[in-house]
Amino acid sequence: SQQGEEDPQALSIQEGENATMNCSYKTSINNLQWYRQNSGRGLVHLILIRSNEREKHSGRLRVTLDTSKKSSSLLITASRAADTASYFCATALTGGGNKLTFGTGTQLKVEL
Amino acid sequence: SQTIHQWPATLVQPVGSPLSLECTVEGTSNPNLYWYRQAAGRGLQLLFYSVGIGQISSEVPQNLSASRPQDRQFILSSKKLLLSDSGFYLCAWSAARGSGSNQPQHFGDGTRLSIL
Repeated sequence: SQQGEEDPQALSIQEGENATMNCSYKTSINNLQWYRQNSGRGLVHLILIRSNEREKHSGRLRVTLDTSKKSSSLLITASRAADTASYFCATALTGGGNKLTFGTGTQLKVEL
Repeated sequence: SQTIHQWPATLVQPVGSPLSLECTVEGTSNPNLYWYRQAAGRGLQLLFYSVGIGQISSEVPQNLSASRPQDRQFILSSKKLLLSDSGFYLCAWSAARGSGSNQPQHFGDGTRLSIL
């Protein structure tokens, strides 16, 4: 089974609204990362949050991590049509080196 | 700056034919290298990773193999392709600064492989 599960699987919002995606995982981690994938392209790294961090910001992105609940959330504020993509969380397991286990992703559609 | 190149972008191969996909990284030394496969509408499955020349770890039993003949070159191969090998193959690299060292991975643009 997948280490990371994103929720929701799909999300459709209007431009200017905020988008929130959630990720749950099962085992102890070194860090959790969020990636974005445009259709038919490779993944682009967005943000990395370490297991001892609770919140991190990058531009319009805000990521939180709750290791007690084994969950993370990605918030995109003031969304734009260009944010339309699939978003994946990935976990680096404790003792797993830099290998990542990816979730199944959230498909975000931002409409004009 | 570092760049990663992956080719070809698309490939159509008959069942039973061989496969060779190549990935090269520029602008960094001794990277960790990874091959992933992504089924349609799904997440990524790690196939192989490498921490150095000739050092390959396989994550799942399968019809594929990987090699790292040079520091920044990673090759995915098969002797005989199966229908189930169809998918989107992605190569990635990360900096190797100690084990478990909280490094992001950087991806190529992928190869869309269709088996007929």
